[in-house]
Amino acid sequence: DGGITQSPKYLFRKEGQNVTLSCEQNLNHDAMYWYRQDPGQGLRLIYYSQIVNDFQKGDIAEGYSVSREKKESFPLTVTSAQKNPTAFYLCASSGSAGNTIYFGEGSWLTVV
Amino acid sequence: DAKTTQPTSMDCAEGRAANLPCNHSTISGNEYVYWYRQIHSQGPQYIIHGLKNNETNEMASLIITEDRKSSTLILPHATLRDTAVYYCIVRVGPSARQLTFGSGTQLTVLP
Repeated sequence: DGGITQSPKYLFRKEGQNVTLSCEQNLNHDAMYWYRQDPGQGLRLIYYSQIVNDFQKGDIAEGYSVSREKKESFPLTVTSAQKNPTAFYLCASSGSAGNTIYFGEGSWLTVV
Repeated sequence: DAKTTQPTSMDCAEGRAANLPCNHSTISGNEYVYWYRQIHSQGPQYIIHGLKNNETNEMASLIITEDRKSSTLILPHATLRDTAVYYCIVRVGPSARQLTFGSGTQLTVLP
Protein backbone atom coordinates (compact mmCIF):
# COMPACT_ATOMS: atom_id res chain seq x y z
CA ASP A 1 0.00 0.00 0.00
CA GLY A 2 1.15 3.54 -0.69
CA GLY A 3 1.75 5.74 2.27
CA ILE A 4 4.06 7.38 4.74
CA THR A 5 5.97 5.29 7.25
CA GLN A 6 7.43 6.75 10.39
CA SER A 7 9.68 4.89 12.79
CA PRO A 8 10.03 4.26 15.59
CA LYS A 9 6.54 4.79 17.00
CA TYR A 10 7.89 5.30 20.52
CA LEU A 11 11.38 6.46 21.44
CA PHE A 12 13.05 7.32 24.71
CA ARG A 13 16.16 9.46 24.82
CA LYS A 14 18.48 10.53 27.57
CA GLU A 15 19.20 14.20 27.93
CA GLY A 16 22.21 15.26 25.90
CA GLN A 17 21.74 12.62 23.21
CA ASN A 18 20.80 13.15 19.59
CA VAL A 19 18.07 10.99 18.11
CA THR A 20 16.93 10.50 14.52
CA LEU A 21 13.33 9.87 13.48
CA SER A 22 12.79 8.12 10.17
CA CYS A 23 10.21 9.08 7.54
CA GLU A 24 9.77 7.20 4.28
CA GLN A 25 7.10 7.70 1.62
CA ASN A 26 6.29 5.66 -1.48
CA LEU A 27 3.77 8.13 -2.88
CA ASN A 28 6.30 9.71 -5.26
CA HIS A 29 5.64 13.06 -3.58
CA ASP A 30 8.07 15.91 -4.08
CA ALA A 31 7.39 17.79 -0.85
CA MET A 32 7.92 16.47 2.65
CA TYR A 33 7.36 18.08 6.03
CA TRP A 34 8.05 17.59 9.73
CA TYR A 35 5.63 18.85 12.36
CA ARG A 36 5.69 18.81 16.13
CA GLN A 37 2.53 18.46 18.21
CA ASP A 38 2.36 19.05 21.96
CA PRO A 39 -0.56 17.71 24.05
CA GLY A 40 -3.79 19.55 23.28
CA GLN A 41 -2.08 21.77 20.74
CA GLY A 42 -2.10 22.14 16.97
CA LEU A 43 0.77 21.23 14.66
CA ARG A 44 3.83 23.40 14.31
CA LEU A 45 6.15 23.19 11.30
CA ILE A 46 9.77 22.26 11.99
CA TYR A 47 11.28 21.79 8.51
CA TYR A 48 10.05 21.21 5.00
CA SER A 49 11.57 20.13 1.72
CA GLN A 50 10.11 20.69 -1.73
CA ILE A 51 12.81 18.88 -3.73
CA VAL A 52 15.73 16.55 -3.15
CA ASN A 53 18.83 18.16 -1.62
CA ASP A 54 16.90 21.24 -0.58
CA PHE A 55 15.03 22.09 2.62
CA GLN A 56 13.87 25.15 4.55
CA LYS A 57 13.34 25.96 8.19
CA GLY A 58 9.81 26.14 9.51
CA ASP A 59 8.58 28.02 12.54
CA ILE A 60 10.42 26.02 15.22
CA ALA A 61 13.60 24.70 13.57
CA GLU A 62 16.00 25.45 16.42
CA GLY A 63 17.50 22.28 17.86
CA TYR A 64 16.49 20.15 14.86
CA SER A 65 18.21 19.12 11.63
CA VAL A 66 17.08 17.29 8.48
CA SER A 67 18.43 15.88 5.24
CA ARG A 68 16.82 15.09 1.91
CA GLU A 69 19.23 12.88 -0.02
CA LYS A 70 16.47 10.80 -1.60
CA LYS A 71 12.99 11.74 -2.75
CA GLU A 72 11.35 9.12 -0.56
CA SER A 73 13.22 9.85 2.67
CA PHE A 74 13.27 12.84 5.01
CA PRO A 75 14.83 11.97 8.39
CA LEU A 76 14.63 14.36 11.34
CA THR A 77 17.38 14.60 13.95
CA VAL A 78 16.46 15.99 17.34
CA THR A 79 19.69 17.34 18.75
CA SER A 80 20.75 17.96 22.32
CA ALA A 81 20.27 21.67 21.62
CA GLN A 82 16.49 21.21 21.56
CA LYS A 83 15.42 22.41 25.01
CA ASN A 84 12.10 20.62 25.28
CA PRO A 85 12.07 17.72 22.82
CA THR A 86 9.39 15.55 24.42
CA ALA A 87 6.51 15.66 21.91
CA PHE A 88 4.61 13.87 19.16
CA TYR A 89 6.37 14.22 15.78
CA LEU A 90 4.53 13.98 12.48
CA CYS A 91 5.95 13.56 9.02
CA ALA A 92 3.89 14.51 5.97
CA SER A 93 4.19 14.73 2.22
CA SER A 94 2.40 16.25 -0.75
CA GLY A 95 2.60 15.90 -4.50
CA SER A 96 3.36 18.66 -6.96
CA ALA A 97 0.14 18.24 -8.91
CA GLY A 98 -2.19 18.55 -5.97
CA ASN A 99 -2.06 20.38 -2.69
CA THR A 100 -3.34 17.78 -0.26
CA ILE A 101 -0.88 16.90 2.50
CA TYR A 102 -0.88 13.35 3.81
CA PHE A 103 0.48 12.39 7.22
CA GLY A 104 2.29 9.45 8.74
CA GLU A 105 1.18 7.85 12.01
CA GLY A 106 3.60 9.85 14.12
CA SER A 107 6.45 9.18 16.53
CA TRP A 108 6.37 9.79 20.26
CA LEU A 109 9.67 11.04 21.65
CA THR A 110 10.21 11.14 25.39
CA VAL A 111 13.34 12.52 27.01
CA VAL A 112 14.19 10.81 30.28
CA ASP B 1 -3.01 31.43 5.31
CA ALA B 2 -6.35 32.71 6.60
CA LYS B 3 -7.40 32.08 10.19
CA THR B 4 -10.28 29.74 10.98
CA THR B 5 -12.68 29.58 13.93
CA GLN B 6 -14.32 26.34 15.07
CA PRO B 7 -16.35 25.36 18.14
CA THR B 8 -14.27 23.65 20.78
CA SER B 9 -16.49 20.59 21.07
CA MET B 10 -19.64 18.97 19.73
CA ASP B 11 -21.64 15.82 20.43
CA CYS B 12 -23.58 13.76 17.92
CA ALA B 13 -25.76 10.67 18.29
CA GLU B 14 -24.57 7.56 16.49
CA GLY B 15 -26.28 7.16 13.13
CA ARG B 16 -27.19 10.82 12.86
CA ALA B 17 -25.53 13.40 10.68
CA ALA B 18 -22.70 15.38 12.25
CA ASN B 19 -22.47 18.97 11.03
CA LEU B 20 -19.22 20.71 11.92
CA PRO B 21 -19.06 24.45 11.21
CA CYS B 22 -16.02 26.56 10.42
CA ASN B 23 -15.69 30.32 9.97
CA HIS B 24 -12.98 31.69 7.69
CA SER B 25 -14.11 35.25 7.09
CA THR B 26 -10.69 36.45 5.86
CA ILE B 27 -10.29 33.76 3.22
CA SER B 28 -8.72 34.88 -0.05
CA GLY B 29 -9.95 33.99 -3.50
CA ASN B 30 -7.15 31.48 -4.10
CA GLU B 31 -7.38 29.71 -0.73
CA TYR B 32 -8.86 26.25 -0.44
CA VAL B 33 -10.80 24.95 2.55
CA TYR B 34 -9.40 21.67 3.90
CA TRP B 35 -10.73 19.33 6.55
CA TYR B 36 -8.62 16.85 8.49
CA ARG B 37 -9.35 14.78 11.55
CA GLN B 38 -7.06 13.35 14.17
CA ILE B 39 -7.72 10.46 16.48
CA HIS B 40 -5.61 10.53 19.62
CA SER B 41 -2.00 9.50 19.09
CA GLN B 42 -2.41 9.12 15.32
CA GLY B 43 -1.48 11.28 12.37
CA PRO B 44 -4.12 13.63 10.93
CA GLN B 45 -6.31 12.04 8.27
CA TYR B 46 -7.31 13.99 5.18
CA ILE B 47 -11.10 14.15 4.72
CA ILE B 48 -12.02 16.57 1.97
CA HIS B 49 -11.24 19.94 0.45
CA GLY B 50 -12.88 22.52 -1.80
CA LEU B 51 -12.47 25.96 -3.31
CA LYS B 52 -15.98 27.34 -3.80
CA ASN B 53 -18.22 24.51 -4.94
CA ASN B 54 -19.72 21.95 -2.61
CA GLU B 55 -17.81 18.69 -2.57
CA THR B 56 -18.67 15.12 -1.64
CA ASN B 57 -16.58 11.99 -1.30
CA GLU B 58 -16.94 8.63 0.38
CA MET B 59 -16.22 10.09 3.80
CA ALA B 60 -18.07 13.38 3.94
CA SER B 61 -19.61 16.39 2.25
CA LEU B 62 -18.29 19.93 2.33
CA ILE B 63 -20.69 22.84 2.02
CA ILE B 64 -19.10 26.24 1.36
CA THR B 65 -21.23 29.37 1.57
CA GLU B 66 -21.52 31.55 -1.50
CA ASP B 67 -19.40 34.30 0.05
CA ARG B 68 -16.85 31.62 1.11
CA LYS B 69 -16.66 33.02 4.62
CA SER B 70 -17.80 29.82 6.26
CA SER B 71 -18.18 26.13 5.57
CA THR B 72 -19.71 23.00 7.09
CA LEU B 73 -18.35 19.49 7.11
CA ILE B 74 -21.10 16.87 7.10
CA LEU B 75 -20.59 13.28 8.19
CA PRO B 76 -23.87 11.78 6.98
CA HIS B 77 -24.13 8.83 9.37
CA ALA B 78 -21.77 9.26 12.28
CA THR B 79 -20.29 6.18 13.93
CA LEU B 80 -18.35 5.79 17.16
CA ARG B 81 -15.15 5.61 15.10
CA ASP B 82 -15.77 9.16 13.90
CA THR B 83 -14.96 10.46 17.37
CA ALA B 84 -11.91 12.65 16.79
CA VAL B 85 -10.64 16.23 16.64
CA TYR B 86 -11.66 17.83 13.35
CA TYR B 87 -9.54 20.60 11.88
CA CYS B 88 -10.70 23.15 9.34
CA ILE B 89 -7.82 24.77 7.49
CA VAL B 90 -7.59 27.27 4.66
CA ARG B 91 -4.59 27.01 2.43
CA VAL B 92 -3.29 28.47 -0.78
CA GLY B 93 -2.74 26.01 -3.64
CA PRO B 94 0.19 23.79 -4.58
CA SER B 95 2.85 26.36 -3.71
CA ALA B 96 1.83 26.49 -0.06
CA ARG B 97 4.60 25.32 2.20
CA GLN B 98 2.61 24.25 5.20
CA LEU B 99 -0.70 23.70 6.86
CA THR B 100 -1.57 25.82 9.88
CA PHE B 101 -3.62 23.81 12.33
CA GLY B 102 -5.70 25.54 14.99
CA SER B 103 -7.26 23.81 17.98
CA GLY B 104 -10.05 22.11 16.02
CA THR B 105 -13.41 20.69 17.18
CA GLN B 106 -13.57 17.64 19.40
CA LEU B 107 -16.46 15.60 17.99
CA THR B 108 -17.81 12.93 20.31
CA VAL B 109 -20.23 10.43 18.81
CA LEU B 110 -22.51 9.05 21.49
CA PRO B 111 -24.02 5.55 21.40
